[in-house]
Amino acid sequence: DTEVTQTPKHLVMGMTNKKSLKCEQHMGHRAMYWYKQKAKKPPELMFVYSYEKLSINESVPSRFSPECPNSSLLNLHLHALQPEDSALYLCASSQVRGWDGYTFGSGTRLTVV
Amino acid sequence: QKEVEQNSGPLSVPEGAIASLNCTYSDRGSQSFFWYRQYSGKSPELIMSIYSNGDKEDGRFTAQLNKASQYVSLLIRDSQPSDSATYLCAPKDFGNEKLTFGTGTRLTIIP
Repeated sequence: DTEVTQTPKHLVMGMTNKKSLKCEQHMGHRAMYWYKQKAKKPPELMFVYSYEKLSINESVPSRFSPECPNSSLLNLHLHALQPEDSALYLCASSQVRGWDGYTFGSGTRLTVV
Repeated sequence: QKEVEQNSGPLSVPEGAIASLNCTYSDRGSQSFFWYRQYSGKSPELIMSIYSNGDKEDGRFTAQLNKASQYVSLLIRDSQPSDSATYLCAPKDFGNEKLTFGTGTRLTIIP
């Protein structure tokens, strides 16, 4: 299995809603990542989990809350988002400090209204 | 701030010609170098990786690395319309969890 699966593919939420994005991989990778990508911009790193522990938080606002329940799953909990948070949210996985590149999921297109 | 620079394009290349994409990086600790292809509205897809100075070929793709010049490039031979996409350069420091993307080059292959 060489896939990273993200759900949902599309999400529309109000500014007072609470929602979660989910990511799952079965490649035996022990590093997982959340990236945010705005239109015509490169992906920007948000969070890194290494061996199920948060190792990097790129000064992301607290309305984004990551969670790594086990080595295969990664969640991103969303609360009180702003319209400017609308973007493509990408999950990726890799070996920890490995030589190989990251494998990305297909992403969740988030719209905040 | 570690920077990765690419020509933003758009780069237009006739079908069947060679497309040349360039990338410079500032972090001398970078040891792995990746090229991702991203179609509009889709997620990045890894197409090439290179770790040593010189050339690495995979089908129609050739990656070139010059660590002394902090320069990495991607050549696409016999360009096809399906190669039209944004290409992202991503150097990585082996001791660092972070993969930082360049600004991306939008490539259009003209039939």
